[in-house]
Amino acid sequence: QSALTQPRSVSGSPGQSVTISCTGTSSDVGGYNYVSWYHQHPGKAPKLMIYDVNKRPSGVPDRFSGSKSGNTASLSIAGLQAEDEADYYCCSYAGSYTWVFGGGTKLTVL
Amino acid sequence: QVQLVESGGGVVQPGGSLRLSCAASGFTFSSYGMHWVRQAPGKGLEWVTFIRYDGSNRNYADSVKGRFTISRDDSKNTLYLQMNSLRAEDTALYYCAKSVGLNIDPWGQGTLVTVSS
Repeated sequence: QSALTQPRSVSGSPGQSVTISCTGTSSDVGGYNYVSWYHQHPGKAPKLMIYDVNKRPSGVPDRFSGSKSGNTASLSIAGLQAEDEADYYCCSYAGSYTWVFGGGTKLTVL
Repeated sequence: QVQLVESGGGVVQPGGSLRLSCAASGFTFSSYGMHWVRQAPGKGLEWVTFIRYDGSNRNYADSVKGRFTISRDDSKNTLYLQMNSLRAEDTALYYCAKSVGLNIDPWGQGTLVTVSS
């Protein structure tokens, strides 16, 4: 049950695009199409932004998109806005009713 | 809408026990699996445990296996987490969350557990 690997921080200017990676193993990210992404503002509960690798819950802007290749999943955010500044976490199902999170990535909008 | 309200957190000495509760509303509680996820101060999210909708399967992170027990009372729409043999490293904000398919959403606001002498 090792945490998924995410970059500690990424940054971009308003209007730009950024991508956050999430690397696991064939036992989690690579083995299942159940990767989700959350953003968390300080003092708030995490909010689901992407589920099942690339699906958006209703209400999440289409600027947010997800993908996966092998053992690495990615979250892309287009047209960065100030309110996108937050911590982002990936999460993957890991079999036998267990899940694993990434260490988190701090997104700074410059 | 879905509401999850955690309670039962507090300060406990190392080696002590605590039971957390999560009151659920706004959905058919007995039809959904449920999770506990924790976040140590200033740290990332850590999945702790899951229970299936019918209680037939549950599993735990290695870090809490043998010390924590998840359970549910569908008649009270309540999820529980019994925590025994608590350690300093268990200090965290504990979130209750609903399972949707094999994803985790939404989350409650959390209850803080502090293990300290």
